[in-house]
Amino acid sequence: QKEVEQNSGPLSVPEGAIASLNCTYSDRVSQSFFWYRQYSGKSPELIMSIYSNGDKEDGRFTAQLNKASQYVSLLIRDSQPSDSATYLCAVNWRGGGSEKLVFGKGMKLTVNP
Amino acid sequence: AAGVIQSPRHLIKEKRETATLKCYPIPRHDTVYWYQQGPGQDPQFLISFYEKMQSDKGSIPDRFSAQQFSDYHSELNMSSLELGDSALYFCASGAGGPQETQYFGPGTRLLVL
Repeated sequence: QKEVEQNSGPLSVPEGAIASLNCTYSDRVSQSFFWYRQYSGKSPELIMSIYSNGDKEDGRFTAQLNKASQYVSLLIRDSQPSDSATYLCAVNWRGGGSEKLVFGKGMKLTVNP
Repeated sequence: AAGVIQSPRHLIKEKRETATLKCYPIPRHDTVYWYQQGPGQDPQFLISFYEKMQSDKGSIPDRFSAQQFSDYHSELNMSSLELGDSALYFCASGAGGPQETQYFGPGTRLLVL
C-alpha cells in the first residue's frame, strides 16, 4: 500500500511567521512530488512541484525534497492570512504503465493577523 | 490560460437515480483523472484515461463508469446513487510524461438526498 503521510495538524502561525509543512511517503520509486493548496469547497491548486533532491524556491514558497529519507516539505515565509487553507502533499507513482497521484490527508493552516 | 472545465458545478439527485459528470481538459492535455473528495477527506483517485483508453483504476465503485471521448473530454456516469456518494468530484488533466503535473477543475458538488 503506497502511502503519503502528513504531520498532524492543524497548524496556526502568526502573520509574518514561517509555516513549515511536512510529508513522508512510502515508495522509493516515486519521482514527482507536489504541494497543492485547497480552500474550503474549492479545488486543489498547484503551489509547487519538485522532482530532484534539494530545495526549490518560488516567491515565498520553498519546497524541499530528500529522496533518501523519503521526505518532502513546504516552507511558507512571511505567512499571510490569505495563506490560510488546507495544504495537500501529493506523490505521483508510476507503475504498470499507469500513473496515480496519491494525496496525504492534508494539513490545515491558519495564519492569524 | 484555459483551465479544466467541469459541468455541472452543482447537482442534486435522489437515491437510486443516475448522474453524469462532464470534464473538459486543458487543450492539448491527453490525460484525464477523476477524484472523489468527501467532507473533511483528501481526494481519492477513482479512474484515469490516457489517449481515450482507461489507464488506471482506483477506488471506483462498480456502479460508476467513465470514458474519454475523441475530443478528450471525459464523462463519469454514476448509477444507483447512494447517500454516501455525496461529495466533491474533481477532474484533473495532464500532458503526460514522466514529470506530469495534474491541474484540477473546479469540481462538481453532488448531493444525494
